[in-house]
Amino acid sequence: EVQLVESGGGLIQPGGSLRLSCEGSGFAVSTSYMSWVRQAPGKGLEWVSVIYSGATTHYADSVKGRFTISRDSSKNTLYLQMNSLRAEDTAVYYCARGLWDSVWGNYRWYYLHYWGQGTLVTVSS
Amino acid sequence: QSALTQPASVSGSPGQSITISCTGTSSDVGGYNYVSWYQHHPGKAPQLMIYDVSNRPSGVSNRFSGSKSGNTASLTVSGLQAEDEADYYCSSYTGSSTLVFGGGTKLTVL
Repeated sequence: EVQLVESGGGLIQPGGSLRLSCEGSGFAVSTSYMSWVRQAPGKGLEWVSVIYSGATTHYADSVKGRFTISRDSSKNTLYLQMNSLRAEDTAVYYCARGLWDSVWGNYRWYYLHYWGQGTLVTVSS
Repeated sequence: QSALTQPASVSGSPGQSITISCTGTSSDVGGYNYVSWYQHHPGKAPQLMIYDVSNRPSGVSNRFSGSKSGNTASLTVSGLQAEDEADYYCSSYTGSSTLVFGGGTKLTVL
């Protein structure tokens, strides 16, 4: 069974840094297409970043240059390093795995099939 | 990348059908058939309900269906049930290797 468990959220001051973790089970994070999505309080979902199986990464303009997505295959864990945090980064952060297309034998990263329960990041002084 | 446009809320009675629209541009919804829909019960993980405009992942009820015309995609929920009450989000791949979501629609089952 595929499971994702996020951790690392908490209260951080503006300008600070935080690293979120997302531990996977039931599949290999290193060969999957993994994304981070966030939801600010009272707002909708916002895609943040993706890492392909080949380690190519892409970011939303709102976090480009401040956030870095990465993974550790030995720990089967996805990370999101967040620097220069702002109040508007306050949100529940979800990790998600792309949809495996059994017909074409590849991941459709833009379809988020499995999600974690999320971890709350609060940026405030 | 601006968020896709969805109505803030829709409602229907049990057994009825409702449709949620999702309007984008030719750079996202209109340019690709990579539209998906998610159901989100607050406090829980979102669930993928529709992908490739109209396909359902295994395990998703056939009461959920999707379509697209031009820059607007739609999600229809038929035979409304109490457990369908949730927030629904559309999403589309964009040409710049990013993903954009709609603002979300709250479905209320009366």
